[in-house]
Formats: sequence, C-alpha cells, structure tokens
Amino acid sequence: EAGVTQFPSHSVIEKGQTVTLRCDPISGHDNLYWYRRVMGKEIKFLLHFVKESKQDESGMPNNRFLAERTGGTYSTLKVQPAELEDSGVYFCASSQDWGSSGELFFGEGSRLTVL
Amino acid sequence: SQQGEEDPQALSIQEGENATMNCSYKTSINNLQWYRQNSGRGLVHLILIRSNEREKHSGRLRVTLDTSKKSSSLLITASRAADTASYFCATRRRSGNTPLVFGKGTRLSVIA
Repeated sequence: EAGVTQFPSHSVIEKGQTVTLRCDPISGHDNLYWYRRVMGKEIKFLLHFVKESKQDESGMPNNRFLAERTGGTYSTLKVQPAELEDSGVYFCASSQDWGSSGELFFGEGSRLTVL
Repeated sequence: SQQGEEDPQALSIQEGENATMNCSYKTSINNLQWYRQNSGRGLVHLILIRSNEREKHSGRLRVTLDTSKKSSSLLITASRAADTASYFCATRRRSGNTPLVFGKGTRLSVIA
C-alpha cells in the first residue's frame, strides 16, 4: 500500500513567486493535515481537512496560504506570494480515524526555500 | 496554546547505552504520541499512550506518562546507530476536535 506522497520534495523560489505543494494521502484516509517545520523550531500545525471540508485552519499563518482538497482526495497548499519566512519543510499527514486512535501517517515533506 | 516540549534538545550516547527523552505539556490530553524522524525523511509513529495509562512498551521502547506532572518520557534501551534521529512527542487535547500538537524534538545521536 502506498504511503503519503508529497511533491515536490524540494522547491527553491524567489521572494514574491508562487509555489504549490501537493499531497496524496493514503487511499481511504478521510483526514488530511498540513504541518510546517521551520529550522530548529517545533512542527507547527497548519490545517486539517476531513474529506473535502476544512475542519480546522487555525494554524494557517496568513492569507498568502491557500489549501484545497477538491473531491476529498489529494490536497494542494499554495503560497502566493512567497516571503522569506515561509522557508521550511511542509509535511502532510493523513489518518483514517481522527478519534481515539489518532496515529498520523506522514509524507517525507516538501522543503521550501525562499530566496 | 498547548505544546509539547522535549528535553534535552540534543543527546549523544554510545551504542548499547540507554537513551531517555522527556516531554512536558500544558493542558489535559486524550493521548500522547511519540514520533521519530530520520534526517530528510517524514515522521514515523512509534507509540501512543492514552491518558489513563501510565506505562507502555513496544520492543526496545518504553514510554511513561504522568498526567499529574503533565510529562512523559521515552526510553530506548540498548541503543543502536540506526536509532540516530529526531524524536518528537505530540499531544492531543482531551476534548474538542483539535489536532496533534508537536514540540521541537530531541536530536539523538548514537555513536557506534
């Protein structure tokens, strides 16, 4: 069974440009999460989808970030326009059951470098 | 906001020794989980302990939870070079539809 896959693995862009990150969760997992880790800091929650609906987007830093999950399958996270502080590793995770189990399955991350 | 804080930030030990990492958190939780991240890879779930449990084992891993102190520890026994990685604790709040909250992690280096 395929795990969570993320694309691209690494993206280098200039300040002001746009980048779109993609996440394909494990098939059948209704819950999809985006997290971000800035160098040396905690892994910070960005948002949570249940199927195609945004369950919680309290961690989204500002309106330059837009996440979608059309059809409840894969998700995209677009940053437009990118700023220097957006650099970091963006992790996607999925889970079948949000509830008592709560184990998340992570992708390998998309490293974003904004110059 | 609730946040797991791992201690120490970095730990270096010899192969065969035991490694202990600690985690503290701030609010009541439903469960606490430990994850491992190898350099450049994604996080891998290691073990989950529920709020009504005090200790749990999985292979060479032993996790304890003290809800009165809002703390947990992860013990890796007989460490191996392959255990070199960053270890994160993550907590899920007791009530409400809230996400897993991670800390900054402990960087473990096991020297062969």
